[in-house]
Amino acid sequence: NAGVMQNPRHLVRRRGQEARLRCSPMKGHSHVYWYRQLPEEGLKFMVYLQKENIIDESGMPKERFSAEFPKEGPSILRIQQVVRGDSAAYFCASSPRDGANEKLFFGSGTQLSVL
Amino acid sequence: DAKTTQPPSMDCAEGRAANLPCNHSTISGNEYVYWYRQIHSQGPQYIIHGLKNNETNEMASLIITEDRKSSTLILPHATLRDTAVYYCIVRVDRGSQGNLIFGKGTKLSVKP
Repeated sequence: NAGVMQNPRHLVRRRGQEARLRCSPMKGHSHVYWYRQLPEEGLKFMVYLQKENIIDESGMPKERFSAEFPKEGPSILRIQQVVRGDSAAYFCASSPRDGANEKLFFGSGTQLSVL
Repeated sequence: DAKTTQPPSMDCAEGRAANLPCNHSTISGNEYVYWYRQIHSQGPQYIIHGLKNNETNEMASLIITEDRKSSTLILPHATLRDTAVYYCIVRVDRGSQGNLIFGKGTKLSVKP
């Protein structure tokens, strides 16, 4: 049973380009969470999605950032017109169900570097 | 969500037990205590979680005080590979808003 898969592992973009980060949850998991970790800082929650629905996007910047989790395929975190401050590690997690007694399993992350 | 307080750093000798404390004095009755760790730049790794009772698994033990205002994560025989940042998180069951909120954690250094 493969774990949470994130790709690419490393992504380099120039300022103004778009970044697309992909997350395939564990098999049977329909809940996906995205977190961002800036250099030397802790993990910050960004967005929580179930299949085809955004449940909580309270941690996501209002502009340039969007997330989706389509019926088929991976969840995508999209950053438009990237700036140097977007350079960070982006982690995805998944769980099989909702609820505080459900563990979240994390992927290895995507390291985004903006030149 | 209830906030947690952890020491910023701790040292432990290899082979000894590592006891990591966490205060969560404002925890509510429906909030779980979770422990995750992050080994340098890797994704967070689940360790253990509990509600009221003490819990044990192959990685660690979780001791929760009777009033639930604090807990201790115990790594029974620490190894160098246990060097990591350990996060204590309380998580409320709010239906569709059950995400984990990470604090600053405790940086555990296991020394030979």
